[in-house]
Amino acid sequence: EAGVVQSPRYKIIEKKQPVAFWCNPISGHNTLYWYLQNLGQGPELLIRYENEEAVDDSQLPKDRFSAERLKGVDSTLKIQPAELGDSAVYLCASSLAGAADTQYFGPGTRLTVL
Amino acid sequence: EDQVTQSPEALRLQEGESSSLNCSYTVSGLRGLFWYRQDPGKGPEFLFTLYSAGEEKEKERLKATLTKKESFLHITAPKPEDSATYLCAVSSGGSNYKLTFGKGTLLTVNP
Repeated sequence: EAGVVQSPRYKIIEKKQPVAFWCNPISGHNTLYWYLQNLGQGPELLIRYENEEAVDDSQLPKDRFSAERLKGVDSTLKIQPAELGDSAVYLCASSLAGAADTQYFGPGTRLTVL
Repeated sequence: EDQVTQSPEALRLQEGESSSLNCSYTVSGLRGLFWYRQDPGKGPEFLFTLYSAGEEKEKERLKATLTKKESFLHITAPKPEDSATYLCAVSSGGSNYKLTFGKGTLLTVNP
């Protein structure tokens, strides 16, 4: 069974440029999460989707970050414009339903903002 | 607000030298405690979920235990391939079901 797929794996951009990350969850997983992981830290939740609905986006910086999950499968996380402090690993995870169920993570996208 | 503290931050062992990693937590109604392994450049890999105090789970050389305040990840006779960062996380009813992670313990096992 395929795991969570993310692309690209690496991205280097200049500050103030836009960037987008894509995630394809495990087949049949209704819940999708985007996390941010800084070096030496654990992942921190940005947004959680139940099917197409964003049910928890309280940690998403809405002035520059946006996300969508059309059709309740794939998801895209966008940053516009990127800032130096956005350099981090962006992880996507999925689960059958809710955080009480096990979340499975993708390999992440390492973003470097110059 | 849920809090997770892991100790030690880093642990260096000789191959075959057993030890334990600690995860202390403060939550409002624990729904689950999770252990993940993370290798450099990769996403966290699921190891265990524990739901109630007294619960134990094992996988190869790893054994996870849970009390009302902390969890331990016991590593028996580790091998160099066990070297990784081990992350602990909790989910609770008071945090809209999100996972709150600790900073992790970086384990190095020397041959």
